[in-house]
Amino acid sequence: NAGVTQTPKFRILKIGQSMTLQCTQDMNHNYMYWYRQDPGMGLKLIYYSVGAGITDKGEVPNGYNVSRSTTEDFPLRLELAAPSQTSVYFCASRGRNRNQPQHFGDGTRLSIL
Amino acid sequence: DAKTTQPNSMESNEEEPVHLPCNHSTISGTDYIHWYRQLPSQGPEYVIHGLTSNVNNRMASLAIAEDRKSSTLILHRATLRDAAVYYCIDPSGNQFYFGTGTSLTVIP
Repeated sequence: NAGVTQTPKFRILKIGQSMTLQCTQDMNHNYMYWYRQDPGMGLKLIYYSVGAGITDKGEVPNGYNVSRSTTEDFPLRLELAAPSQTSVYFCASRGRNRNQPQHFGDGTRLSIL
Repeated sequence: DAKTTQPNSMESNEEEPVHLPCNHSTISGTDYIHWYRQLPSQGPEYVIHGLTSNVNNRMASLAIAEDRKSSTLILHRATLRDAAVYYCIDPSGNQFYFGTGTSLTVIP
């Protein structure tokens, strides 16, 4: 079982560059989430999606965009990378019932220099 | 916001039980309390969740207060591999708020 797969695992960007972090899940989960985790801190929700075509903002959405064209994929886009976006990014998914556990990917470590 | 309160850090000796507390006074009547943990340099992983009764699985036990405003994650015999940050989560709404969790140190 692949579960939740994130690519790339590591990336270094220059200020002002753009990139897309990929996330795909093979569990047919409706809900998908993007979190960021700064050093020594907990996870903060960036965006989430309750199904294909539906997305919504979390705690820290500024500087990011998402789309959900399929059930499997939930890419996160940085349009103009800034040093404050240096972080570890985690994607997660869960089933329809909010009392079902979330499944996490291994994360993408992103540095903006 | 569906927030929880946990101590920032705890220590335990290896092979002794560990009780990790959490307050979740605003949890709704039909929502389960969830626990996750995050090992160093890894993503969070699900540990256990429960509604009202005490719950057990191969990783841990969860004791839920009768008024459901608090719970305790119990690791029966801490090992060095249990050193991690433990998060309890109230899943109210569609968002999961992780907070900063409890950092557990296991002393050999």
